[in-house]
Amino acid sequence: LAKTTQPISMDSYEGQEVNITCSHNNIATNDYITWYQQFPSQGPRFIIQGYKTKVTNEVASLFIPADRKSSTLSLPRVSLSDTAVYYCLVGPDSGGSNYKLTFGKGTLLTVNP
Amino acid sequence: DVKVTQSSRYLVKRTGEKVFLECVQDMDHENMFWYRQDPGLGLRLIYFSYDVKMKEKGDIPEGYSVSREKKERFSLILESASTNQTSMYLCASSIPLQPQHFGDGTRLSIL
Repeated sequence: LAKTTQPISMDSYEGQEVNITCSHNNIATNDYITWYQQFPSQGPRFIIQGYKTKVTNEVASLFIPADRKSSTLSLPRVSLSDTAVYYCLVGPDSGGSNYKLTFGKGTLLTVNP
Repeated sequence: DVKVTQSSRYLVKRTGEKVFLECVQDMDHENMFWYRQDPGLGLRLIYFSYDVKMKEKGDIPEGYSVSREKKERFSLILESASTNQTSMYLCASSIPLQPQHFGDGTRLSIL
């Protein structure tokens, strides 16, 4: 199983770009990298998913180097409402009997005015 | 939009009781999951199911069992609840190659 490591917490200010890095040294060939956002008293919400290189959507970008042993979630111009816990998830995402997931412990991002 | 519904937002039970947590999804997803979430520990996978009547143990299955008799419903069972099972329980569903969709959780207190 690929174990993930993220910073426990990060602080930023409104309007800044925030980069959260996740380490996953034992990532397997068929593993995808997925990031979720969670607000208090809510379930996690999908942000972005990638396999290699760079993925961008309307919310964030995900950078994955060639060795895939880490990934970086980039949030452009954060606002106060981006204050949340961000989880890095590594897993095959393909169903089947060998389908197991590893969640990091999450990074609490606090955006200050 | 995918909807994952957990039967209760808050639940209080007593030690030794048999507890059922229910989860229903409305998108015909093959995969369903149960996690628990505790401060400082993040999300930990208890069980998952990739088809009706199929189940696999996650990282912390001890003290729990699951049931999936219908595709849309995945139940988590605490056979004899203990205080260390006080936690937030999250259900999720997905189809292969797609991200998981989570419910809003059940905060379970065992007294």
